[in-house]
Amino acid sequence: DQQVKQNSPSLSVQEGRISILNCDYTNSMFDYFLWYKKYPAEGPTFLISISSIKDKNEDGRFTVFLNKSAKHLSLHIVPSQPGDSAVYFCAASGYSGAGSYQLTFGKGTKLSVIP
Amino acid sequence: NAGVTQTPKFRVLKTGQSMTLLCAQDMNHEYMYWYRQDPGMGLRLIHYSVGEGTTAKGEVPDGYNVSRLKKQNFLLGLESAAPSQTSVYFCASSYSEVGVAKNIQYFGAGTRLSVL
Repeated sequence: DQQVKQNSPSLSVQEGRISILNCDYTNSMFDYFLWYKKYPAEGPTFLISISSIKDKNEDGRFTVFLNKSAKHLSLHIVPSQPGDSAVYFCAASGYSGAGSYQLTFGKGTKLSVIP
Repeated sequence: NAGVTQTPKFRVLKTGQSMTLLCAQDMNHEYMYWYRQDPGMGLRLIHYSVGEGTTAKGEVPDGYNVSRLKKQNFLLGLESAAPSQTSVYFCASSYSEVGVAKNIQYFGAGTRLSVL
């Protein structure tokens, strides 16, 4: 059963507008959440993260919102730029035993920013 | 600063052949991971290591073995390749404190493997 879900496989947005990418999770034990960005033929790169004790974290054009009661997080990109076109993965950190944590990834959302 | 380096970048194998994928990191990270990415499946954890000389199974470990003889290197082995192992393989590393959920992983560029 998928513990981290990104229900929109793709999203198209006009340049300059807001992009909103959504992610839902089922495991209430997840403590930390991350967003990764991936260009074709490259590895995922860390974008932004948020602890479960916060509801918002901002870094430049990127903001992540966390709603723990709804088990939902979202990534907002404002304003969107053509260079933001990539696949975005949501990930959640959960305890895996012996003091260590693992990441569980969603399937990704492909964002296309149209000039 | 290279970060996480994976070799090779591409490989084609015949069914039954064996190979080893190498991952090297220069960030002095304790934790290292191997993932596979298949179309529509996201990233799935194969094996991971929390330190030199240690390994553990992830979500999809069958058909793979790993070794962490040196802190900076993490090897993924396929003893007898199968077409189902055709995938893109990513290595990652992280600095993670014991008992702390913050686990920012840094990824290599990937190895694209085809098994015919």
